[in-house]
Amino acid sequence: DAGVIQSPRHEVTEMGQEVTLRCKPISGHNSLFWYRQTMMRGLELLIYFNNNVPIDDSGMPEDRFSAKMPNASFSTLKIQPSEPRDSAVYFCASQGGLAATTQYFGPGTRLLVL
Amino acid sequence: QKEVEQNSGPLSVPEGAIASLNCTYSDRGSQSFFWYRQYSGKSPELIMFIYSNGDKEDGRFTAQLNKASQYVSLLIRDSQPSDSATYLCAVMDSNYQLIWGAGTKLIIKP
Repeated sequence: DAGVIQSPRHEVTEMGQEVTLRCKPISGHNSLFWYRQTMMRGLELLIYFNNNVPIDDSGMPEDRFSAKMPNASFSTLKIQPSEPRDSAVYFCASQGGLAATTQYFGPGTRLLVL
Repeated sequence: QKEVEQNSGPLSVPEGAIASLNCTYSDRGSQSFFWYRQYSGKSPELIMFIYSNGDKEDGRFTAQLNKASQYVSLLIRDSQPSDSATYLCAVMDSNYQLIWGAGTKLIIKP
C-alpha cells in the first residue's frame, strides 16, 4: 500500500493567493483528518470526514479555510486568501473507521506564505 | 475543554537508560490512549496504544495507563540514539476524536 499521499510536499506562495492542498487516503479507509502543525500551537485538528461527510469542522480557523471530500479517494483543503500566519505543516491522516485504532499520516505539506 | 498535557522537554537520557514520558488528560470518559513518535521533519507514526489499566509491553516500549489518576506513560528501555524524537500523547474521546498533547522532545545522548 502506498500510504496516505499528499501534494504538494512544499508550497511557497504570496499573501492573498489561493492555496489548495490535496490528499489521497489509504484505500478502504473511510475516515479522513486534516491537521495543521506549528511550533507554537502543536498539532491541531482542522476538520474530519467519515464516509466522505464532514463530521466536525470546528477546528477550521476561519472562513478562509474550506475542505471537501468529493469521493472516498480524494480530499482537498483550500485557503483563500492565504495569509502569512497560515504558514505551517498541513497533515492529512486516514483511519479505517472512527473506532479504528490507528491514524496513518501522510508526509505533510509545508506551506510558507510570504 | 478536553485537554492532554505533556512536558515539552527536552528530556535528555543517556544511551542504554530508561526514558520515561508522561501524559495527563482531563476527560474521565476517555477510553483509548495512543503514543505517536515524530522525527524532525517527518509525520507522526503510531508506536503504542492502550485501552486497559496497567501495562502493555511491545519490545523495548511499555505503555502504562492509570485511569483513576488520568495518567498514561511510555517507557523506553535500553534507549538508543534513534529513539530521539518528539513523542505525542493522544487520547480518544467519546466522539472518537483524538485530543493531542503538545509532545515531549526526547534526546538520547550517546
